[in-house]
Amino acid sequence: QVQLQESGPGLVKASETLSLICTVSGYSISSGYYWGWIRQSPGKGLEWIGNIHQSGNTHYNTSLKSRVTISLDTSNNHFSLKMSSVTAADTAVYYCARGGRGSQIWFDPWGQGTLVTVSS
Amino acid sequence: EIVMTQSPATLSALPGDRATLSCRASQSVSSSLAWYQQKPGQAPRLLIYGASTRATGIPARFSGSGSGTEFTLTISSLQSEDSAVYYCQQYNNWPPLTFGGGTKVEIK
Repeated sequence: QVQLQESGPGLVKASETLSLICTVSGYSISSGYYWGWIRQSPGKGLEWIGNIHQSGNTHYNTSLKSRVTISLDTSNNHFSLKMSSVTAADTAVYYCARGGRGSQIWFDPWGQGTLVTVSS
Repeated sequence: EIVMTQSPATLSALPGDRATLSCRASQSVSSSLAWYQQKPGQAPRLLIYGASTRATGIPARFSGSGSGTEFTLTISSLQSEDSAVYYCQQYNNWPPLTFGGGTKVEIK
């Protein structure tokens, strides 16, 4: 079955760039679907960060758009998230997930999540 | 941006009770609504999409209904393993995709 696994540094300094990778197994990311990033601040709800389609087309949350880049690496079957100029407010558990094929985007399955702490 | 509002914030019930969770959208999202279950320390799990279609492997005691701006997730007979936070998410008008604030279900 399709499985996703986030990886990357658990600690990032304020003003630097957060970089995470989501490795997908059991499905080729070039075969379809949107692939997305969602985060959850400690004790809070879910916030959508952005999606990338197999075609490379991206959509971002307007609140984060100026700082976020999502890209695909089809040769390694993974997609990545880069978020620049991070602050303490970016401390969260970051999840990657598979979205829908068309414009109907619900997320299933999800990775287990990775905690990223921004330190001053 | 479509704002999703969930109620109640917390629901406490006995095993075997029927639980009704509500999700309201600030404008119509047609039937483009999903429900997720999140247990402590775990990632969210898809329960329902298209407002009423159960995802693969989801028990029949979970059901979704509604369209437009008012949606309901019903758990027909609560079990201890249903203790979790439940989120709704709209995907009718995006970006951005938006989630509700969650309803915490506690089993007495």
